Amino acid sequence: GESVGLHLPTLSVQEGDNSIINCAYSNSASDYFIWYKQESGKGPQFIIDIRSNMDKRQGQRVTVLLNKTVKHLSLQIAATQPGDSAVYFCAENFGSGNTPLVFGKGTRLSVIA
Amino acid sequence: SQTIHQWPATLVQPVGSPLSLECTVEGTSNPNLYWYRQAAGRGLQLLFYSVGIGQISSEVPQNLSASRPQDRQFILSSKKLLLSDSGFYLCAWSRKGSGPYEQYFGPGTRLTVT
Repeated sequence: GESVGLHLPTLSVQEGDNSIINCAYSNSASDYFIWYKQESGKGPQFIIDIRSNMDKRQGQRVTVLLNKTVKHLSLQIAATQPGDSAVYFCAENFGSGNTPLVFGKGTRLSVIA
Repeated sequence: SQTIHQWPATLVQPVGSPLSLECTVEGTSNPNLYWYRQAAGRGLQLLFYSVGIGQISSEVPQNLSASRPQDRQFILSSKKLLLSDSGFYLCAWSRKGSGPYEQYFGPGTRLTVT
């Protein structure tokens, strides 16, 4: 998509504060959403997922919120740590398991010690 | 458990030279396979995906091609590299089924075309 050519937006957060990373998804028919974390020089790693029949899901220090009305997804990280510094991507999918995920443009999270 | 391998990890190639990047998955069978490219500081661009041996879907027209000669092997190739082919190439796999399912990414190959 067009967003792959854009420089990533950056979010700077003080260590210990909560982080909120936002994502606007494109397809109102999407029914599955994932957040990935990508550290420098590595492949993206799964953080948490949520299906469209839910509006909130919690993991360890992370919470994903889904607002289908405005097609918005957010990732909340509690007590942000230096190891959380990375690029975070949201991804959406609809239909069967054979269709690729559609990735958002990503947000770079920078944790200030 | 499942693992995904990519090699080489880094590659420096001159403009006009051929390319072959390999991806293999272990611990699962009949996966969906994907190739992505990521320019420095940018997002993920889906290049190709495959739902089975010999079945390749191309997402972006360019001088790259993909092949799946075996169930768990996915190869990205080019006959003549361009400067714009530089980037971080990621392979991923996902399960089949009623889905959808998460995609698992490999460690990536850093390609620099000089």
